[in-house]
Amino acid sequence: SQQGEEDPQALSIQEGENATMNCSYKTSINNLQWYRQNSGRGLVHLILIRSNEREKHSGRLRVTLDTSKKSSSLLITASRAADTASYFCATDYNDYKLSFGAGTTVTVRA
Amino acid sequence: NAGVTQTPKFRVLKTGQSMTLLCAQDMNHEYMYWYRQDPGMGLRLIHYSVGEGTTAKGEVPDGYNVSRLKKQNFLLGLESAAPSQTSVYFCASSYSGTGELFFGEGSRLTVL
Repeated sequence: SQQGEEDPQALSIQEGENATMNCSYKTSINNLQWYRQNSGRGLVHLILIRSNEREKHSGRLRVTLDTSKKSSSLLITASRAADTASYFCATDYNDYKLSFGAGTTVTVRA
Repeated sequence: NAGVTQTPKFRVLKTGQSMTLLCAQDMNHEYMYWYRQDPGMGLRLIHYSVGEGTTAKGEVPDGYNVSRLKKQNFLLGLESAAPSQTSVYFCASSYSGTGELFFGEGSRLTVL
């Protein structure tokens, strides 16, 4: 069964605005990852945050992790049209496997 | 580098037919995975491999078989295709079990 669940399912924002999406998961994890998928393409890794980290940055991306609430958030600042994509969180639920949520679809309007 | 390559990219099958999807990676990764992606359901793990000659079942293995005879290749077989197997299939590989996954571009399969 899927471990992670993203919220909201869909998000529409104006170019230049920030986009925030959340991921909740069920069991304890070692790390949590975020991926992006452009329409009709494969998933691309964005960022990995370990369970002992609370916040991580990569360019315009900021990820937070709250293990007490079993949740994570992904913030995209100053969004661009190229950020239009689906975003997935993935959690490790054993040593070899990642579980993906259903994703958040982000549309950035020009 | 090509990364992860999947063939074919598109295929239409009739119910009961068989086929094999091929995944090849050139990163010398030990771990390889097959996922299926259906609307509103995210990615679900079908089978995975932790090294050459090994395979294991994921969340939704029924109706599929896999083989990893060579480290760089991971094959997904459908013995008798069913309409419920209409999906987009993604192969992924990883250096470590729960590290970054590298995905192929997907194989879109339609079973009529």
